[in-house]
Amino acid sequence: DQQVKQNSPSLSVQEGRISILNCDYTNSMFDYFLWYKKYPAEGPTFLISISSIKDKNEDGRFTVFLNKSAKHLSLHIVPSQPGDSAVYFCAASKNRDDKIIFGKGTRLHILP
Amino acid sequence: DVKVTQSSRYLVKRTGEKVFLECVQDMDHENMFWYRQDPGLGLRLIYFSYDVKMKEKGDIPEGYSVSREKKERFSLILESASTNQTSMYLCASSLPVEDNYGYTFGSGTRLTVV
Repeated sequence: DQQVKQNSPSLSVQEGRISILNCDYTNSMFDYFLWYKKYPAEGPTFLISISSIKDKNEDGRFTVFLNKSAKHLSLHIVPSQPGDSAVYFCAASKNRDDKIIFGKGTRLHILP
Repeated sequence: DVKVTQSSRYLVKRTGEKVFLECVQDMDHENMFWYRQDPGLGLRLIYFSYDVKMKEKGDIPEGYSVSREKKERFSLILESASTNQTSMYLCASSLPVEDNYGYTFGSGTRLTVV
């Protein structure tokens, strides 16, 4: 039973355009959400997070949007750059439980 | 700079061997985790530990055990390696939930069981 779902295994975006990665979750107890980026042969690196008390968090080219009623979050990258080509994992955790549940990941290809 | 170090980047082991994967963090984190990453399956939690000598099963603990004798070190043990344990293994650590800004991951160990 997947609690964090990334339904798009891959996504291709032209360089300079906006990349939108989507994530859905089923557990209403989740109140902290994260995005990680992973290059091949490396560990995932933390990208951006959002608490459930917010609906938007921005950090440079990266913005995460949270829609609690729809149990949906998205990561926007604008403008997309070649170095953004990687696998992106959506993740979530409960407030009093530090265990983080990951989605299956979306591979983002930035096209020249 | 914070660091999680996994002792090996690549390992090749034979079926039936006992395998030790070591992970050390220098951030004085209390929580440590072992995941495996497989294509199409994402990151799956094997075991985790919230304190020294404590361990909790994750989603896929079968065929694995762990050891946490010191705060900074969390070892994953494959008692008798099998080919379906060929995978990328990732260790992570984090602070307690009040400072929950996510995990710091190691670079991973790619294990091949032949």
